[in-house]
Amino acid sequence: DVKVTQSSRYLVKRTGEKVFLECVQDMDHENMFWYRQDPGLGLRLIYFSYDVKMKEKGDIPEGYSVSREKKERFSLILESASTNQTSMYLCASSLEGGPGEKLFFGSGTQLSVL
Amino acid sequence: AQRVTQPEKLLSVFKGAPVELKCNYSYSGSPELFWYVQYSRQRLQLLLRHISRESIKGFTADLNKGETSFHLKKPFAQEEDSAMYYCALRKGGTGTASKLTFGTGTRLQVTL
Repeated sequence: DVKVTQSSRYLVKRTGEKVFLECVQDMDHENMFWYRQDPGLGLRLIYFSYDVKMKEKGDIPEGYSVSREKKERFSLILESASTNQTSMYLCASSLEGGPGEKLFFGSGTQLSVL
Repeated sequence: AQRVTQPEKLLSVFKGAPVELKCNYSYSGSPELFWYVQYSRQRLQLLLRHISRESIKGFTADLNKGETSFHLKKPFAQEEDSAMYYCALRKGGTGTASKLTFGTGTRLQVTL
């Protein structure tokens, strides 16, 4: 079974800190994604990557950057954390794009920015 | 721009009653739709996709292009169906990574 692992379940950071959220998948998937999940807003795509060193902006990339140096690892970076970035962050991966593409999600990182 | 609307934040039904979770979409291209589910303390997972025309855990969903809807239905609700349900629309061609647009979610509560 596909395993998508997010390094932290809970994180508490201060405003202005640089924050790294890490995600690793173990099934050689091509695509990886970062979403944030907020009550009443659903899931919103921040960034995704379809290959090593390749990335594309999602719907809400402002204030975030990403890094994919190895196929199995996709990092989300908050350059200078702000309180409005307090959220649940979900990482996902998929084998390849195309019709019926199935996403596998991690268990999430609840980030609180104080 | 594509959009997915789930009008109900919470749907409460009795065990054994029929369930219908509503999903409407707007998209200028050919739509591809999914339902994802998140049970308590579990990760978000795919429930079903319209392209497969499948029934999973007794749930079905039919794509109605005329009404731009993809409602999720089950004839008899079970307690274990209580969860958060998200409808999602895929944008992207063959071979490209999905850019899924999710709805805001509906919490289904099945009571005795």
